Amino acid sequence: IAGITQAPTSQILAAGRRMTLRCTQDMRHNAMYWYRQDLGLGLRLIHYSNTAGTTGKGEVPDGYSVSRANTDDFPLTLASAVPSQTSVYFCASSQTETGELFFGEGSRLTVL
Amino acid sequence: DQQVKQNSPSLSVQEGRISILNCDYTNSMFDYFLWYKKYPAEGPTFLISISSIKDKNEDGRFTVFLNKSAKHLSLHIVPSQPGDSAVYFCAARGAPNYGGSQGNLIFGKGTKLSVKP
Repeated sequence: IAGITQAPTSQILAAGRRMTLRCTQDMRHNAMYWYRQDLGLGLRLIHYSNTAGTTGKGEVPDGYSVSRANTDDFPLTLASAVPSQTSVYFCASSQTETGELFFGEGSRLTVL
Repeated sequence: DQQVKQNSPSLSVQEGRISILNCDYTNSMFDYFLWYKKYPAEGPTFLISISSIKDKNEDGRFTVFLNKSAKHLSLHIVPSQPGDSAVYFCAARGAPNYGGSQGNLIFGKGTKLSVKP
């Protein structure tokens, strides 16, 4: 089934550890995004990529990094996790012309 | 400051009645608006959208209305069904100078809709 695959589905890790959330899409969309969802705050953009080889900062980029080596993959890395990064993370992709985003199922991350 | 606001965190409606979810925005440069629906433990899914050149878009039981002068849009669900119970997010496509990506969406905080049988 075409779409976006995120891994892991859920993860608990200790503060200070490094963590990479994986995201793969098979729709050949140019643009990809990482959002975090927090109670009472909705969905906030962390980083985005318009096309392979380029990335940009969203609303809440601090503490996160991304890379876009190819069209399909867009990993999100927490270099040194902190408890405030406990959240549900959603990867999304879109054809930039329409603005409609297709979301993955989410990765629930708990930092202790 | 929030650019997309959903001031009602929750809404409860009886099955068969109309559900009206509201959304306000502050940036007059927004040109495209979308509604997403989210069930627990799932990713948001696209529901319906409207371009700023229109004031209404309809898709089955779902209609979105846009009032540009008031910077307000609303989602109407008629008739409401228990399966419509979910969190609904309003989103607007960012102004051209926001982040440099035409696809960037700015989301509201969401409204949790509960449709009672």
